[in-house]
Amino acid sequence: GESVGLHLPTLSVQEGDNSIINCAYSNSASDYFIWYKQESGKGPQFIIDIRSNMDKRQGQRVTVLLNKTVKHLSLQIAATQPGDSAVYFCAERETGFQKLVFGTGTRLLVSP
Amino acid sequence: DAGVTQSPTHLIKTRGQQVTLRCSPKSGHDTVSWYQQALGQGPQFIFQYYEEEERQRGNFPDRFSGHQFPNYSSELNVNALLLGDSALYLCASSLVGEAFFGQGTRLTVV
Repeated sequence: GESVGLHLPTLSVQEGDNSIINCAYSNSASDYFIWYKQESGKGPQFIIDIRSNMDKRQGQRVTVLLNKTVKHLSLQIAATQPGDSAVYFCAERETGFQKLVFGTGTRLLVSP
Repeated sequence: DAGVTQSPTHLIKTRGQQVTLRCSPKSGHDTVSWYQQALGQGPQFIFQYYEEEERQRGNFPDRFSGHQFPNYSSELNVNALLLGDSALYLCASSLVGEAFFGQGTRLTVV
């Protein structure tokens, strides 16, 4: 079957630290991966994506790393800020299919 | 650009009733997907509409149905509501790549 899961349900960091959120996936046919941020009472907000022909992609303060060998995805947030506090989801999409498969999420708590 | 808009934002229904949720996609987007998000869980794919046709469906019963209109807006209908249908219902629109989500409709079945 297919599943996307996260290793750590809650991650607590200090403001200014770098945060790393991890995600394991099991569907080797997935070719597209996305990280979403979801704040309380809101819909998921796109952060960054990566296709399977890449192993790293950088955005503003965020970096996504993809290791297809071990089916692992990570999101790195540099200089974490209190506004980064939210639940973070990784999602995968299989080649030729439309649906996104989400994990259960990791809650990031940033202390000032 | 208004982004993805959903209505209503909150809804309370009684078990056995029927409900219709609405979604307007982001300007220029032609594909609409619906997801159900239970409390503390990740969103679960219900189905996707493209060119007014259901293109793919997740593991949801036939009580869940949908429609897409020529202007790309979409509706999600749920019949014979169960207590377990209580969730946040999310609409996402896309054109080619990334999917943009709306704020969701919080459905409570009592």
